[in-house]
Amino acid sequence: DAGVIQSPRHEVTEMGQEVTLRCKPISGHNSLFWYRQTMMRGLELLIYFNNNVPIDDSGMPEDRFSAKMPNASFSTLKIQPSEPRDSAVYFCASSPDSRQTSQETQYFGPGTRLLVL
Amino acid sequence: RKEVEQDPGPFNVPEGATVAFNCTYSNSASQSFFWYRQDCRKEPKLLMSVYSSGNEDGRFTAQLNRASQYISLLIRDSKLSDSATYLCVVIPSGNTGKLIFGQGTTLQVKP
Repeated sequence: DAGVIQSPRHEVTEMGQEVTLRCKPISGHNSLFWYRQTMMRGLELLIYFNNNVPIDDSGMPEDRFSAKMPNASFSTLKIQPSEPRDSAVYFCASSPDSRQTSQETQYFGPGTRLLVL
Repeated sequence: RKEVEQDPGPFNVPEGATVAFNCTYSNSASQSFFWYRQDCRKEPKLLMSVYSSGNEDGRFTAQLNRASQYISLLIRDSKLSDSATYLCVVIPSGNTGKLIFGQGTTLQVKP
């Protein structure tokens, strides 16, 4: 049974370039979450979707970050232009339905390690 | 003040030891609590939920103290394979499914 799939697993880019991270949630899950993890700030929620609709994007750091979920099986997180301080591990997670308290378990993908030079 | 606070450690213990981690949360209306485990360079995974009455899963015991707003995780008879970072997770009030993660506590079990 496939878990959450993320690509690429590693990305090295130069400052100013556009970066696109991709996520495929577990089939049948209605909620999708994007997180960023750094040593300094730990794991931070950037944005989450329920039934493909963005519910809370208050964690998105600034306008350089954008996220889309065009359908139930695919989401992207885009950084344009990228900066060195964006270097982090970006995780995507999915859960059956964020609004059912009995099913809050989130299943994380393996993450994308981003390095912006 | 951070919403969820943990002692980052590291906690270095010998095999077989009992070790306990605490975590405090700031929002008294928080409604759900979890411990996640994260191995080095891996993704976080759910370890266990934390129920008001306390709960046990093998060598792991989780407890919640709502009055003092803290959560604990006790590991008995620690194994080398328990070495990881343990993340305290809280769902704030409102049924949003939004998880707030602590910084994590690192455990290193030595032979």
